[in-house]
Amino acid sequence: GDSVTQMEGPVTLSEEAFLTINCTYTATGYPSLFWYVQYPGEGLQLLLKATKADDKGSNKGFEATYRKETTSFHLEKGSVQVSDSAVYFCALSVLGSGGGADGLTFGKGTHLIIQP
Amino acid sequence: SQTIHQWPATLVQPVGSPLSLECTVEGTSNPNLYWYRQAAGRGLQLLFYSVGIGQISSEVPQNLSASRPQDRQFILSSKKLLLSDSGFYLCAWSPRTGTGSPLHFGNGTRLTVT
Repeated sequence: GDSVTQMEGPVTLSEEAFLTINCTYTATGYPSLFWYVQYPGEGLQLLLKATKADDKGSNKGFEATYRKETTSFHLEKGSVQVSDSAVYFCALSVLGSGGGADGLTFGKGTHLIIQP
Repeated sequence: SQTIHQWPATLVQPVGSPLSLECTVEGTSNPNLYWYRQAAGRGLQLLFYSVGIGQISSEVPQNLSASRPQDRQFILSSKKLLLSDSGFYLCAWSPRTGTGSPLHFGNGTRLTVT
């Protein structure tokens, strides 16, 4: 079946450091890929997405590139802030294979802590 | 614009008591609706999804049930809660346009079963 693997953390960085959160996936079809962010006590918010190979999603200084050859969708940010502290989820949706109306398949989430 | 409302925000219930969590979506028609559970230290588990009124699909066997009495209303229920039902419950919706559409989540309900 489809699956998403990501580092669970916690990942602790200093403010202004460079961030990479790795995400790899297994899917039988051609997935769309997503990153969500969850702040403490809140629901998940869509951070960015990519729907085909080599697409780059970006938002709020975060970027991720859909790499079909390595089945990866790593999240990056050049300079993190304390306000970026949250849990980040990688997810995929595959047409006719558990995605779409069946919901997204999520990784277990990566807890990011940014220290001032 | 579309909005999703989920309530209550927090709930403490004794073992064996009933449960009803409600979710409504505004600003869209015929959405796909979902219930997820997030247990402490774990990822998201899809519990139920619905593509229309009265149409419910269950992903895992459990002590919970879901209903969709109206197009934009999704209810999660239990007749008798178990300790293992504690967790963070999230409702979500997506447009009925196939793959590539993201899910949009509510703010969640923190359920503690004592």
